[in-house]
Amino acid sequence: NAGVTQTPKFQVLKTGQSMTLQCAQDMNHNSMYWYRQDPGMGLRLIYYSASEGTTDKGEVPNGYNVSRLNKREFSLRLESAAPSQTSVYFCASRPDRNYGYTFGSGTRLTVV
Amino acid sequence: QKEVEQNSGPLSVPEGAIASLNCTYSDRGSQSFFWYRQYSGKSPELIMSIYSNGDKEDGRFTAQLNKASQYVSLLIRDSQPSDSATYLCAVNLAYSGAGSYQLTFGKGTKLSVIP
Repeated sequence: NAGVTQTPKFQVLKTGQSMTLQCAQDMNHNSMYWYRQDPGMGLRLIYYSASEGTTDKGEVPNGYNVSRLNKREFSLRLESAAPSQTSVYFCASRPDRNYGYTFGSGTRLTVV
Repeated sequence: QKEVEQNSGPLSVPEGAIASLNCTYSDRGSQSFFWYRQYSGKSPELIMSIYSNGDKEDGRFTAQLNKASQYVSLLIRDSQPSDSATYLCAVNLAYSGAGSYQLTFGKGTKLSVIP
């Protein structure tokens, strides 16, 4: 049982480059989320998808876009990376709003 | 601004003692509450959920909820060095749009259990 799978695990980008972080879950969960975690700032919500076919902005959406490709997959795209986007990115999912999240293992992104 | 507050620590306890972790939240409408454990360099792992006032026990862990005081806590009995981690409190909050709920996390309390 894989749970929530994120790829890649590590990435170094140059300022201005673009990339897509991939997330897939095999638990038939309806809701999926992208968070970033920075020292001293805690976990902050970037975007979420309450159900297949819907996406909404979270607390810190600037510089990111998302796609809910199907019920399993939710990707996060950085169109023009900036050093301020250096962070650890976590994807999470849950069946519905009454449950806690299951997190993926994270992507450690460095923008130089 | 809907907030979840935790003491950042570090909280140091001797092996075998009870560790007490506290969390307060600002939204009186919150209905579900969670505790996560995060080891350094790893992702958060759900260890407890609580929905009703009172205590909920699971092994060495007890979650306590007091909605009137907007307070949730986690007790770890017989603390072990393997419990050394950062503990995150999370509260289910209505965000934007009808029916949209997300977890808002505290910044975490770092626990060190000293052998």
